Amino acid sequence: QSVLTQPPSASGTPGQRVTISCSGSSSNIGSETVNWYHQLPGTAPKLLVYGNNQRPSGVPDRFSGSKSATSASLAISGLQSADEADYYCSTWDRSLNAVVFGGGTKLTVL
Amino acid sequence: QGQLVESGGGVVQPGTSLRLSCAASGFRFRTYAMHWVRQPPGKGLEWVGFMWSDGHTVYYADSVKGRFTISRDNSKSTLYLQMNSLRAEDTAVYYCGGDPPSSGYALYIWGQGTTVTVPS
Repeated sequence: QSVLTQPPSASGTPGQRVTISCSGSSSNIGSETVNWYHQLPGTAPKLLVYGNNQRPSGVPDRFSGSKSATSASLAISGLQSADEADYYCSTWDRSLNAVVFGGGTKLTVL
Repeated sequence: QGQLVESGGGVVQPGTSLRLSCAASGFRFRTYAMHWVRQPPGKGLEWVGFMWSDGHTVYYADSVKGRFTISRDNSKSTLYLQMNSLRAEDTAVYYCGGDPPSSGYALYIWGQGTTVTVPS
């Protein structure tokens, strides 16, 4: 049971916009910034969004993050087949004194 | 862009020990907080612990507290994970990750992972 709650799956067609949610609490998302990663099959995770809505250099602006109260979201616009991956949210939890990850969302491009 | 390379994984019996290493290059290792994250087969990411750049402050997940120890040698740009009293549930791919200053625990750099298998 993950501290951060994500839907186990999401899907969309090429060109569509999809959103992945991440729900937490006042001790984590409510008081800390959120980061998002994606993991292509058989590879290491890669940072997509940090600080709620900032993108590292090289990450396309099709990926955008947002946060409101104790929830965060990752939006992917102009969906591509290459976006098929597992997506994870993460933040610091002040009560646990630990980094916490969501359970992951498997994105399928139909 | 920096690089991290993990090593030291393998198949070990329950109750035994193993030490993983993570060699860094291409970035200012001594300024980064460094994390270990693991991924059991077919499951999601699980944070193991991290050490601040000062080499002293360290935090662990409850699941490994008292059994695992993180250390670093800034002169060698290397992070370590000493794993004792290994259990079947420790079976996973272990990744190290680099967290630059003021990044809010964002792991910018990841290694390719090393696999640890503890048969039940």
